[in-house]
Amino acid sequence: EVQLVQSGAEVKKPGESLKISCKGSGYTFTKYWIAWVRQMPGKGLEWMGIIYPGDSDIRYSPSFQGQVTISADKSISTAYLQWSSLKPSDTAMYYCARHDREGATLSYFDPWGQGTLVTVSS
Amino acid sequence: EIVLTQSPGTLSLSPGERATLSCRASQTITSSFLAWYQQKPGQAPRLLIYGASSRATGIPDRFSGSGSGTDFTLTISRLEPEDFAVYYCQQYGRSPLTFGGGTKVEIK
Repeated sequence: EVQLVQSGAEVKKPGESLKISCKGSGYTFTKYWIAWVRQMPGKGLEWMGIIYPGDSDIRYSPSFQGQVTISADKSISTAYLQWSSLKPSDTAMYYCARHDREGATLSYFDPWGQGTLVTVSS
Repeated sequence: EIVLTQSPGTLSLSPGERATLSCRASQTITSSFLAWYQQKPGQAPRLLIYGASSRATGIPDRFSGSGSGTDFTLTISRLEPEDFAVYYCQQYGRSPLTFGGGTKVEIK
């Protein structure tokens, strides 16, 4: 079974750093792009960017370029999303999702991780 | 960036009724690269439809997708109690990938 399992909920203060993870299993991790998607409280879905774990090629949404860093460690089949200095406006649920088509930069998402809730508050 | 506009924002229907959800794009979507997702409270989105009209694995045939170009539709032929949720369309024909704002299907 193809599965993405994300790290647990985080509560942070403004200005702190954070790195959340997404571990893939049940498929060849290096051959499929992984996307990160933000969902702010009570709002819709926003595409943040993607990474190809095979060579760490990364594409960011213009809205998130410079705000977050996407990375991956293919040796442990894990993708990451990190912040160097969190803001209260980063409070959201963050999902990782796998591109359905092997190697395709543009694809729909299936499956999704269960989500990581990040709360930033003083 | 392709902007997706979903309508209506909320659809109030009874179990057994037909639901018709619309997704309109600001530009033509290449090769009908349009997907639909269902999201229930506290859960991650789930893929329903890809390529505008192909059902994902395990999705009941009461869900169907249609459309091309800039106008797409998700139809639920007869609503079951488990179908009351929020539905999002997504285009994956051009970067940046974008989602519609969602349609909430609620029990009348």
